[in-house]
Amino acid sequence: NAGVTQTPKFRVLKTGQSMTLLCAQDMNHEYMYWYRQDPGMGLRLIHYSVGEGTTAKGEVPDGYNVSRLKKQNFLLGLESAAPSQTSVYFCASSYPSGLPGETQYFGPGTRLLVL
Amino acid sequence: RKEVEQDPGPFNVPEGATVAFNCTYSNSASQSFFWYRQDCRKEPKLLMSVYSSGNEDGRFTAQLNRASQYISLLIRDSKLSDSATYLCVVNRAGTASKLTFGTGTRLQVTL
Repeated sequence: NAGVTQTPKFRVLKTGQSMTLLCAQDMNHEYMYWYRQDPGMGLRLIHYSVGEGTTAKGEVPDGYNVSRLKKQNFLLGLESAAPSQTSVYFCASSYPSGLPGETQYFGPGTRLLVL
Repeated sequence: RKEVEQDPGPFNVPEGATVAFNCTYSNSASQSFFWYRQDCRKEPKLLMSVYSSGNEDGRFTAQLNRASQYISLLIRDSKLSDSATYLCVVNRAGTASKLTFGTGTRLQVTL
């Protein structure tokens, strides 16, 4: 099992460029999440999905779009990158146990620099 | 006020020492509590869940005080390999398991 993987690991963009970050999990998890981590801010939830074909906004969704066309993949898109989107992006997944607070498994992260 | 607050540290302790971290949360409706560990430039990984009765996993002990809304993590007999950032994490029940992360407490264990 690879667990949660993210592509790419690192990317440099110019302001206004677009890109898509790919997250894939092979654990048959229903829930998937995108976070960003900035110094002094902790991880913040961008968007999440509770199943194939569904997405919802998290804490900081502006400037991002997501899609969950397949259960194992969760894509995060930046249509027009801004320097404020320079961050480390983590994808995570979890299996709903029916109890609050299932363990979330994280991917290795994508470091994005927007110039 | 942040939903989850932690002392950022760093806590510099010698090998073999006992060290404790505290974390406070503001939402009294929070239902689940966790400590995650994050190594430098790596992803967070679950260290342990925190239960009302307190729980222990080897050298690690976690406690929850709902009345005062704080969570603690105690590490006994610190190892060099314990050097990392420890994230206090709180969940609110909802459609998905949305987690609120503290900014983390950095621990450096030295020889």
